[in-house]
This record gives sequence, C-alpha cells and structure tokens, in this order.
Amino acid sequence: DTGVSQNPRHKITKRGQNVTFRCDPISEHNRLYWYRQTLGQGPEFLTYFQNEAQLEKSRLLSDRFSAERPKGSFSTLEIQRTEQGDSAMYLCASSFPGRLSYEQYFGPGTRLTVT
Amino acid sequence: AQSVTQPDIHITVSEGASLELRCNYSYGATPYLFWYVQSPGQGLQLLLKYFSGDTLVQGIKGFEAEFKRSQSSFNLRKPSVHWSDAAEYFCAVGRNTGTASKLTFGTGTRLQVTL
Repeated sequence: DTGVSQNPRHKITKRGQNVTFRCDPISEHNRLYWYRQTLGQGPEFLTYFQNEAQLEKSRLLSDRFSAERPKGSFSTLEIQRTEQGDSAMYLCASSFPGRLSYEQYFGPGTRLTVT
Repeated sequence: AQSVTQPDIHITVSEGASLELRCNYSYGATPYLFWYVQSPGQGLQLLLKYFSGDTLVQGIKGFEAEFKRSQSSFNLRKPSVHWSDAAEYFCAVGRNTGTASKLTFGTGTRLQVTL
C-alpha cells in the first residue's frame, strides 16, 4: 500500500496561467475526492468521483475548475486562468465505497501559489 | 447545514502532560465524527472515528475521543503528550448527501508541545 500520491507537491504560477494537478489514489479505492485548504482553515470539499463518474461538485468549484478521472484510477484537477484567490493547498483523498467511504485517506497535497 | 467548531486555535502543553482538544458539531441526525491530524508538509491522517455504539472510541497513537450527544461534542484526549504529537488537529463530521460521503472540517487546533 503506497498511499495516496499527488504531483506536483508545489506549484508557483502567474495569474492567468493554467495549471493541472494529478492524484493517484490507493489502488483498491473506487472513490476519490478533491478538497481545498486555505491558510488557517480546514479542508473544504470540492468534488467527488466514484470510479470514473463525477457525482458531485461543490459551489466552490467555479467554471474555471475541471476535474477528470478518465479510467477510474488517477484523477486530474485543472484550473484555468488562475487568480490569486486560487492560492491554496489542494488535497486529494480516496476511500472504499459504502460506510467505509467516510474513512478517507489523504495525499500530501499540492500547494499552489498564484503570483 | 452541518458545521464543526473547534474553539481553540492554538494550544501549548508540556511533554508528558495530558491533552484535551475540543470539538462541537451541529448536525440534524446522528453524526459520523472523526479526528484527523496534519503534520507540516503531510496530508491528513485519520486518528479515530465514531459511527455508533460505545461513545468512548480509541484511536491510533494513544488518542481517544468521547461522543457526548447532549453536549454535541466529540473531544479528543491523550493522557500523556509526546513531542512528536505537535501538529494540527482537525475534527470533522461526515454527512451522506445521497451521492457523496462528505466530510465537513473544523478550522483546526494547532498543538505545540514544550519540552
């Protein structure tokens, strides 16, 4: 069990650029979540996949954000035309289905800084 | 809507002293409750969880938490703190939206341990 991995760990970009993050969940987990964590706050739910289907998106996820999980394995989160307010830690988590879906295993996160 | 309150932003304890971190939740039904720990540069690690049954739950690293429905609380305790426990601690409540098992986190309590 190698755990949840995320790449890159850090990303610095200029305002207006596009960025893409990758998450590799634990291989047996069919559920995958994206959260955003800003300084001094707890993680906030962004979106969720069961296998390759994106089943729910938070209102926090504006039209500039898009997430995919094409083969039900890894997932990508893309932010287009980044803004300074997008600076945050982006966390990925995965879990089994059912009641165990609340036991979410988190990756180390990707810290985004928009200058 | 569900919410989680962690009233203490920052707590300092001496190594070997006991610890209690407070968590209050607001949720209309029986909650699923969790404590996660986040060390610098690391993802969140699940310490313990409460679904039902015994209101005193044991977790990893010697932590325990007690669910008190009458007080809407789920406080985290440890009888003797180690320097390696210094980290940020997040309480979370789980909610089933019909499609997702979403976690709502508190704002966290940063624990500092003095030697």
